[in-house]
Amino acid sequence: DTEVTQTPKHLVMGMTNKKSLKCEQHMGHRAMYWYKQKAKKPPELMFVYSYEKLSINESVPSRFSPECPNSSLLNLHLHALQPEDSALYLCASSPNTQEYFYNEQFFGPGTRLTVL
Amino acid sequence: AQKVTQAQTEISVVEKEDVTLDCVYETRDTTYYLFWYKQPPSGELVFLIRRNSFDEQNEISGRYSWNFQKSTSSFNFTITASQVVDSAVYFCALSEIGYNQGGKLIFGQGTELSVKP
Repeated sequence: DTEVTQTPKHLVMGMTNKKSLKCEQHMGHRAMYWYKQKAKKPPELMFVYSYEKLSINESVPSRFSPECPNSSLLNLHLHALQPEDSALYLCASSPNTQEYFYNEQFFGPGTRLTVL
Repeated sequence: AQKVTQAQTEISVVEKEDVTLDCVYETRDTTYYLFWYKQPPSGELVFLIRRNSFDEQNEISGRYSWNFQKSTSSFNFTITASQVVDSAVYFCALSEIGYNQGGKLIFGQGTELSVKP
């Protein structure tokens, strides 16, 4: 199994809703990532988990809350989002060692989020 | 500062033409990795190649080839005999090695390639 899966594929939510995005990989990778991508732009890193611990938070607003319940799963909890948060949210994983991060990242298909 | 520049925003070619996508990078480190990713309209980023800073050998994979030149800080990507299925946005990215860098990829702005039949 060499893929990263993400659910749901599409999500429409209101500004008062609470929703979660899910990402799963079964490649034994120990680093997992959340990216946000706006149209016609490159992906922007949001969070990095290494060995189930949050290692990087790129100053993301607290209305985005990541969670890594185990080495295969990564969630992104959403609450009180703004319309400008509408974007493609991509999850990735990588077989990094704990000290060095230099392997390629494998991306999931993304969740297209629309905030009304 | 680390930076990746893909000067070509959009390229349009006719099927079977060869096309080269340019990538120029800036980094203060001597050890780093470079990547190319393809993003078709479906949205998923597909990994194409990784190259480390110590390996300047060019690489060929089928119709794809990559030219890494440290002297000019460039890592260009050529598609030979392009096909309609090559239509996508292509991103060049840079990753620095180091403890707790988090595998942070610094992406270029992307080049949108359109291959017309």
